Amino acid sequence: GAVVSQHPSWVICKSGTSVKIECRSLDFQATTMFWYRQFPKQSLMLMATSNEGSKATYEQGVEKDKFLINHASLTLSTLTVTSAHPEDSSFYICSAPPPGRGRTEAFFGQGTRLTVV
Amino acid sequence: AQSVAQPEDQVNVAEGNPLTVKCTYSVSGNPYLFWYVQYPNRGLQFLLKYITGDNLVKGSYGFEAEFNKSQTSFHLKKPSALVSDSALYFCAVRDQAGTALIFGKGTTLSVSS
Repeated sequence: GAVVSQHPSWVICKSGTSVKIECRSLDFQATTMFWYRQFPKQSLMLMATSNEGSKATYEQGVEKDKFLINHASLTLSTLTVTSAHPEDSSFYICSAPPPGRGRTEAFFGQGTRLTVV
Repeated sequence: AQSVAQPEDQVNVAEGNPLTVKCTYSVSGNPYLFWYVQYPNRGLQFLLKYITGDNLVKGSYGFEAEFNKSQTSFHLKKPSALVSDSALYFCAVRDQAGTALIFGKGTTLSVSS
């Protein structure tokens, strides 16, 4: 089946540094990927939609200069948290929509636990 | 606007008993409805979906869900709970293929032995 791989699975960084999270579709092409953020014991909140070859679409309230999204190819989207602060600590999950005809469920990466100290 | 409500933060059930995790939704068009399960510090695993057809949908690990259009509900059920079913369950909806999912807040299922 379709696989989405997210890396790293966890990262600890110092306040003020930047962190890049990668999301790859391993056996299908994804012109669109979605990035979610999840706070402890809370739901997944859509942050942005990553579009291959064009700018990402950000949800209301998400700082696009802080959360840089690059969809460099049909199999790779990256989320860079710039100048990270402790309040950015969270669980980030990427998702790709159904890869082909007849498939309707989205596929999710394993998630990245970001801790900013 | 689309939305999903999971009215229960936590559901507790004894092993072997039936379980129900509730979900109601709001969407402008025909809904695409999903249930996902999440284990600690892990991504989401797909359980089942309703797109069209039979209102009773069967999914992974013995779970099933019933789509009720009049009540705009999509409750997750299992006839006999296992301790290993203990996890965080999310109901999600979208109104057309290819768009992002909108998630409920999640329900923690705790199955005691």
